[in-house]
Amino acid sequence: KQEVTQIPAALSVPEGENLVLNCSFTDSAIYNLQWFRQDPGKGLTSLLLIQSSQREQTSGRLNASLDKSSGRSTLYIAASQPGDSATYLCAVTSYDKVIFGPGTSLSVIP
Amino acid sequence: EAGVAQSPRYKIIEKRQSVAFWCNPISGHATLYWYQQILGQGPKLLIQFQNNGVVDDSQLPKDRFSAERLKGVDSTLKIQPAKLEDSAMYLCASSLDPGQVLSEQYFGPGTRLTVT
Repeated sequence: KQEVTQIPAALSVPEGENLVLNCSFTDSAIYNLQWFRQDPGKGLTSLLLIQSSQREQTSGRLNASLDKSSGRSTLYIAASQPGDSATYLCAVTSYDKVIFGPGTSLSVIP
Repeated sequence: EAGVAQSPRYKIIEKRQSVAFWCNPISGHATLYWYQQILGQGPKLLIQFQNNGVVDDSQLPKDRFSAERLKGVDSTLKIQPAKLEDSAMYLCASSLDPGQVLSEQYFGPGTRLTVT
């Protein structure tokens, strides 16, 4: 059974810092991995989608990497801004099911 | 392109009452998903439709939850009767085609349900 975990559960950093969020999954047989952002009380916004054959994807200040063999993905945020404060969730598609991690709550302090 | 639409945005009901949520996916998206997200947790898939057929409803509490997607477009999710533990955010998402398992999911704003 695929399980997805995210560490840390919460993170607080000063503005301008670079940071890394972690996502781990137990079964390496995945089709893709997606990173989402969720603002309080809102729906999810897709940030990056990495196919199983890819190693990384970049969008602006965001870079996501995928290492299937070790069951890990990281989301790198460069030069963090207060507007980046949100919960970040990763989700894997495995055996036609989408399974989410519990999320990392990020606070960027001005 | 219009996004996924959901209504209502908020709903407060008493336990044992009934409630229904509505979702309109992105035009042309064959697959529609309903998720339940309890505060502090990641979303949990309740049901997945492809067009108007059910692909996966293994985590749907069928004694009280039901969902339909008539004509393969809009969908409704119903809870009858509601319990306190049903308090959560209900998220609808759509994707182009799950047969291409690489499809990206797009989410609506969600419906926040509070059962008192």
